[in-house]
Amino acid sequence: EIVLTQSPGTLSLSPGERATLSCRASQSVSSSSLAWYQQKPGQAPRLLIYGASSRATGIPDRFSGSGSGTDFTLTISRLEPEDFAVYYCQQYGTSPWTFGQGTKVEIK
Amino acid sequence: QVQLQQWGAGLLKPSETLSLTCAVYGGSFTDYYWSWIRQPPGKGLEWIGEINHSETTNYNPSLKSRVTISVDTSKNQFSLKLSSVTAADTAVYYCARGPHWFLGIRVAWFDPWGQGTQVTVSS
Repeated sequence: EIVLTQSPGTLSLSPGERATLSCRASQSVSSSSLAWYQQKPGQAPRLLIYGASSRATGIPDRFSGSGSGTDFTLTISRLEPEDFAVYYCQQYGTSPWTFGQGTKVEIK
Repeated sequence: QVQLQQWGAGLLKPSETLSLTCAVYGGSFTDYYWSWIRQPPGKGLEWIGEINHSETTNYNPSLKSRVTISVDTSKNQFSLKLSSVTAADTAVYYCARGPHWFLGIRVAWFDPWGQGTQVTVSS
């Protein structure tokens, strides 16, 4: 199965700052089949990005995704208070579908 | 707007069978696969398996020997059974919509998700 490794484990930033989250796959993810999710405490994950760079319905444009092959990035251009959460990447190029271990974005 | 509502027993003893059901409200039930995903305490997410309205299933090989996912199209519901549970199966279990066909390609992102059910396995 494809293993996804996210870095850093925790990102400490202030509101208004830029967040850059990394997701690296153990083998190439076909057709940029990568999604990003946001999860807040006690809530289910919410889809942010699919196809590596397409925003899901209702997702603000401060969220952007990029990358291909084995290296993918989620960027939050200016952190809003509601953006502090855990973010997961997920590949759907090869079954079984797998998730990264998550990056926590916390308030500095 | 599609909504998923799930329910099931939250406390099990080792060796028992976990049983959860997810109901789908709104949207098309037949155009999608429907999945179960779990999250152990303080850990990441693990895809368990999926089913469509024709009862076609796919399971994660890591759990395949213990998992059964079924569907009831008359009620727009699908269910998860996980046998011989141990403490390692303690997790929040989510149902979610996906995979589906998108521009002719089968894609497996998950949206939306159910509210989650905490399942604890303890003697």
